[in-house]
Amino acid sequence: GAGVSQTPSNKVTEKGKYVELRCDPISGHTALYWYRQSLGQGPEFLIYFQGTGAADDSGLPNDRFFAVRPEGSVSTLKIQRTERGDSAVYLCASSLTRSPGELFFGEGSRLTVL
Amino acid sequence: AQSVTQPDIHITVSEGASLELRCNYSYGATPYLFWYVQSPGQGLQLLLKYFSGDTLVQGIKGFEAEFKRSQSSFNLRKPSVHWSDAAEYFCAVGLEGNFNKFYFGSGTKLNVKP
Repeated sequence: GAGVSQTPSNKVTEKGKYVELRCDPISGHTALYWYRQSLGQGPEFLIYFQGTGAADDSGLPNDRFFAVRPEGSVSTLKIQRTERGDSAVYLCASSLTRSPGELFFGEGSRLTVL
Repeated sequence: AQSVTQPDIHITVSEGASLELRCNYSYGATPYLFWYVQSPGQGLQLLLKYFSGDTLVQGIKGFEAEFKRSQSSFNLRKPSVHWSDAAEYFCAVGLEGNFNKFYFGSGTKLNVKP
């Protein structure tokens, strides 16, 4: 498809486990974002990539969270030693630099930590 | 700290009636302002955005929003609501000079009565 693709759509894991969430942005979009949406809340910024580099990771809550985008396209959000409070929908978005502010969001990956 | 407030968690309107969704922000300078819509099973979609200039902005699907600096508001309006407008609406703010990190409100869920 032509949109932002996120996998898995649902992930259930146990406390303490490691999780990876994948984002495949729209082809040609150089900017990529990760947001987290907890129940009843709006999306909360985690990290922004321009190309391969993390230009702003100020939203990552702690060092258990890490994200990579090694080839400037697909990105992976990695969460170590998951905690119940990490349960949320993780949203990925991409955009064109020439259209500032217009983010194209995926449907999200719902993470449940038991 | 920056904040975005959407005071109405749920709103119900009849089909064909007018709609206004409220958004207030807290930020010293003029922010970049956005409205996104999230329909079930779909990613967030940009409805409209304001950077500068005319304070009344037109968006997709017949929506418009007005920036009022004196009230720190950016309310979303539609003159006649359609059943397909039922969704959750999010106001978002970006800081001056930064198109890459947005602060979202907690959303307003719109129900449309037939």
